[in-house]
Amino acid sequence: NAGVTQTPKFQVLKTGQSMTLQCAQDMNHEYMSWYRQDPGMGLRLIHYSVGAGITDQGEVPNGYNVSRSTTEDFPLRLLSAAPSQTSVYFCASNRSVYEQYFGPGTRLTVT
Amino acid sequence: GQQLNQSPQSMFIQEGEDVSMNCTSSSIFNTWLWYKQEPGEGPVLLIALYKAGELTSNGRLTAQFGITRKDSFLNISASIPSDVGIYFCAVSGGSNYKLTFGKGTLLTVNP
Repeated sequence: NAGVTQTPKFQVLKTGQSMTLQCAQDMNHEYMSWYRQDPGMGLRLIHYSVGAGITDQGEVPNGYNVSRSTTEDFPLRLLSAAPSQTSVYFCASNRSVYEQYFGPGTRLTVT
Repeated sequence: GQQLNQSPQSMFIQEGEDVSMNCTSSSIFNTWLWYKQEPGEGPVLLIALYKAGELTSNGRLTAQFGITRKDSFLNISASIPSDVGIYFCAVSGGSNYKLTFGKGTLLTVNP
């Protein structure tokens, strides 16, 4: 199993550009989520999904969209990038209610 | 939203020393989790605690679920350089899959 994979590993965007962060898992997990990590802020939940076709907002959803067309994939879209979205983004999937597996992260810089 | 207070924010220790860190909340939780994030990687689950008063070990790591269900402690004995990283506590509110993370304790081990 590859586990949770994320692409790209690094990305630089200009303000106003859009892009999609990719996330995939091969463990057949129903629950997937996106977090952002900023210095001194810990991990904050952006969006999550409890299964294909079902998504919901987390703690900091503004400026981000998600969709879940398959169990395996959960892309995160930035519609119009802003410098405040400079962060490290982690995708995760759950084997159970408590066991969450994280991807290696995408480091995004918005200039 | 739910808030976890994790302390200390950072620790600088010598190899071989023992380490203690804790996490507190004003709310009661049924599950406490401890994750470790190594530089450039996503967090990895270390220990899960499901019962108030529970003491669980994973090698040199020992974690306890407080009797009040409002706190948890993580101890690392005889630290080694590969213990370096950020340690996060996290809680689960119940049957949903959403986790809330503390802001982390950054551990540096000097060889």
